[in-house]
Amino acid sequence: GAGVSQTPSNKVTEKGKYVELRCDPISGHTALYWYRQSLGQGPEFLIYFQGTGAADDSGLPNDRFFAVRPEGSVSTLKIQRTERGDSAVYLCASSIGGTDTQYFGPGTRLTVL
Amino acid sequence: DQQVKQNSPSLSVQEGRISILNCDYTNSMFDYFLWYKKYPAEGPTFLISISSIKDKNEDGRFTVFLNKSAKHLSLHIVPSQPGDSAVYFCAASAPNRDDKIIFGKGTRLHILP
Repeated sequence: GAGVSQTPSNKVTEKGKYVELRCDPISGHTALYWYRQSLGQGPEFLIYFQGTGAADDSGLPNDRFFAVRPEGSVSTLKIQRTERGDSAVYLCASSIGGTDTQYFGPGTRLTVL
Repeated sequence: DQQVKQNSPSLSVQEGRISILNCDYTNSMFDYFLWYKKYPAEGPTFLISISSIKDKNEDGRFTVFLNKSAKHLSLHIVPSQPGDSAVYFCAASAPNRDDKIIFGKGTRLHILP
């Protein structure tokens, strides 16, 4: 079956612009996670959704970052007033339930010039 | 403060020999440990896991060992194959693990012909 998909695969933007990154989880997976991977680092947790609600958003670095999952399936990570330090690969993962194995998408590489 | 540490950024192993990847953790609340494998331009893929009630888990060529008193785990791959060349992430989670996974920085494994 289809895995987790993320669009776009690459996004180049200018400092100060707004970006949206999309994640399409595996069908039937109720849990969805966003991570950020900077160069030379492992993935760092940003936010976790169980269904439509954000169960844990403690990893969001500041209020420029926001994520939604209005129908409990597709999720969008939104970054306002992008900064060069936001450049990273943004990974999305989903699992059947919160305690099950997380399956990752290929990521979106964001470059802020 | 890194809670999951992979102190070897890279490791080279001859094809057919054993690869041993090491990982240390600092948070004694962690009770579930995972290894993920990542190829370039792809998301991490789940490899193997171990619960803190066990000290060994085996799956084919992959074995994970856990030493709770030392807060140390290791992944053994034997025999190593060319397709094993990738970045390996050690990760951990705490009870109520329907939440974030904490990743190490990863170890790049090169399998030499």
